[in-house]
Amino acid sequence: NAGVMQNPRHLVRRRGQEARLRCSPMKGHSHVYWYRQLPEEGLKFMVYLQKENIIDESGMPKERFSAEFPKEGPSILRIQQVVRGDSAAYFCASSPKGQEGNGYTFGSGTRLTVV
Amino acid sequence: TQLLEQSPQFLSIQEGENLTVYCNSSSVFSSLQWYRQEPGEGPVLLVTVVTGGEVKKLKRLTFQFGDARKDSSLHITAAQPGDTGLYLCAGNTGFQKLVFGTGTRLLVSP
Repeated sequence: NAGVMQNPRHLVRRRGQEARLRCSPMKGHSHVYWYRQLPEEGLKFMVYLQKENIIDESGMPKERFSAEFPKEGPSILRIQQVVRGDSAAYFCASSPKGQEGNGYTFGSGTRLTVV
Repeated sequence: TQLLEQSPQFLSIQEGENLTVYCNSSSVFSSLQWYRQEPGEGPVLLVTVVTGGEVKKLKRLTFQFGDARKDSSLHITAAQPGDTGLYLCAGNTGFQKLVFGTGTRLLVSP
């Protein structure tokens, strides 16, 4: 897990605030994936990005959520006007050039708590 | 919607016992992965199986991919307390996204 860096590890936000979650992929990995894990549930796919491109955002809620992976810097998952139901662990994974067969390397996650 | 059902959901055993975890779906996957997740951490990849009928061994862990690539099993021989954790199977849809199973929480007591 040390290769994919996520920060912050824990984030507390009041309802209505914005949450920004950052993910730096492993060195040499150009593909980033975001997953959400609700309490007592499995991980659910949210979005798949390559540098400057959103490839698949079929798992993203239609409103308030957005993601980017700029040419320089980490990938950002942004949640606007957070609600209690957004409380979850958000995990980022990376892979080199979409090598799906080799599996993904996950970060340690950001635990978002909305109060 | 593709679903992966894991069984059992919870398993509490004594050190030295053997166990098998099952991962079943009605969908076909291009590959299937097994992860272990510890509390407060992200999933860690254990193995990827690609070919129907494939068997892979990782020390005391044996992974099998069903012939039709719809199901998989994880067998642990002589479980140890260090094997405690949440085991997740994940099917690759072929579109760069994983469908995760419901998880099996394993507790191995000394």
